[in-house]
Amino acid sequence: AAGVIQSPRHLIKEKRETATLKCYPIPRHDTVYWYQQGPGQDPQFLISFYEKMQSDKGSIPDRFSAQQFSDYHSELNMSSLELGDSALYFCASSLRDKEETQYFGPGTRLLVL
Amino acid sequence: SQQGEEDPQALSIQEGENATMNCSYKTSINNLQWYRQNSGRGLVHLILIRSNEREKHSGRLRVTLDTSKKSSSLLITASRAADTASYFCATDAEPGGSYIPTFGRGTSLIVHP
Repeated sequence: AAGVIQSPRHLIKEKRETATLKCYPIPRHDTVYWYQQGPGQDPQFLISFYEKMQSDKGSIPDRFSAQQFSDYHSELNMSSLELGDSALYFCASSLRDKEETQYFGPGTRLLVL
Repeated sequence: SQQGEEDPQALSIQEGENATMNCSYKTSINNLQWYRQNSGRGLVHLILIRSNEREKHSGRLRVTLDTSKKSSSLLITASRAADTASYFCATDAEPGGSYIPTFGRGTSLIVHP
């Protein structure tokens, strides 16, 4: 069965650069979530989208923005990268009426040097 | 915050033994979920238990929920080396609202062959 796809899987950036992470949800899933997991930390919710509209907002820095497109894929844009942004970024998708069951992607590991 | 807190933080056992991990949370919840994460990989949903349930089974997994103590436990019976992973509990942040799981810090389980 198709799973959540994230790209790239690994990314290395310099401080103050920008990065764009992509997420392709499971087909027919209408809700996408983004999480950040720092080294040795628990995943922290960043932001979610339902039907291309922002649904909920968590601890997403102002330097980050995200959107969901007409094909339901989502992109997380990160600007003015800081060393502390180094983390594993997960995307998850679900059906709105079954949002308790989120399917996670493999994550993008971002390293900021 | 309704953050779940797992204990122990780390658990090391021999193959065939049972592993018990605990999770405590702070406020009322609709449900609690357990996830597994292999090192640097995505989160895999294991089991969901609702606030009106006390126990749930799935294969070698047994989850209990005590809402009076605001705690849950995950028992893995007859553990295998392949069970080596980090295990997180997650609670929903706003009962009645969108489902945004709040993760605890996780228990790192090592099963020695």
